[in-house]
Amino acid sequence: SAVISQKPSRDICQRGTSLTIQCQVDSQVTMMFWYRQQPGQSLTLIATANQGSEATYESGFVIDKFPISRPNLTFSTLTVSNMSPEDSSIYLCSVVGGGRHNEQFFGPGTRLTVL
Amino acid sequence: AQSVTQPDIHITVSEGASLELRCNYSYGATPYLFWYVQSPGQGLQLLLKYFSGDTLVQGIKGFEAEFKRSQSSFNLRKPSVHWSDAAEYFCAVVRGQGAQKLVFGQGTRLTINP
Repeated sequence: SAVISQKPSRDICQRGTSLTIQCQVDSQVTMMFWYRQQPGQSLTLIATANQGSEATYESGFVIDKFPISRPNLTFSTLTVSNMSPEDSSIYLCSVVGGGRHNEQFFGPGTRLTVL
Repeated sequence: AQSVTQPDIHITVSEGASLELRCNYSYGATPYLFWYVQSPGQGLQLLLKYFSGDTLVQGIKGFEAEFKRSQSSFNLRKPSVHWSDAAEYFCAVVRGQGAQKLVFGQGTRLTINP
C-alpha cells in the first residue's frame, strides 16, 4: 500500500485568509484525489488532481475556491482560499496505488478550523 | 447515480459481542465495494474490498463482509469486538464503471461498552 503524508496535520486560520495543504506519496501514482469531511459528516470528493493539467472538480466545487496543483506523480497541493467558518473540515488526499485496481489509500488528513 | 446508505448512524455493542454494520448500495452493474474505518483523529484505513468472485470477503482486524446482490447489501461483520474497534465506519462504492471515484455512505459510529 502507498504511504501518504499530509502537511499541516491541523491548523487554525482567520477568516479571509488562505491555507495550502500538501500531500506527499512515497511512490508514483496516477490517480490522486482530494476529499472534504465536514464535522460529523461523510467524505465528499472535491476534485481529481491531474498531473500536468488542470484538476477536475466535482459539482459544487470551483477552482477559484480550491486551486489544486499536481506538479509530479508523488505530490499535490490543495489551497483553501478566502476561508470562512464553513470551510472548517478535515481535508484528505487519496491515491489509487500499488497496482490494485480501484483500491484507494488515504492520507491522515488536515484538520482545518476557521475562526 | 450510485449511492450508498448506512442505515445506522450510531451503534453500541458490548466488548466481546458480535457486530454487524449495514450497508446498502444503488448501482446498476456489479459494484466495487469497500469498507473503511476512521479512528478518532485518524485518516481512513481500508478494512476490506469486494470486486468480484467469492461473495464473502475477509479483511484486516478480524472483519469480514458479505456481498448480497439480491439485497444490494454489503454488510460488515465481526464475531467478537474489542474496545479498540470503537471508530467510525464508512461503506463506499466506486462511482461509475472503470472509474476511480468513491461515493461514501454517511458512516456508522461504533461505541464499545466495557
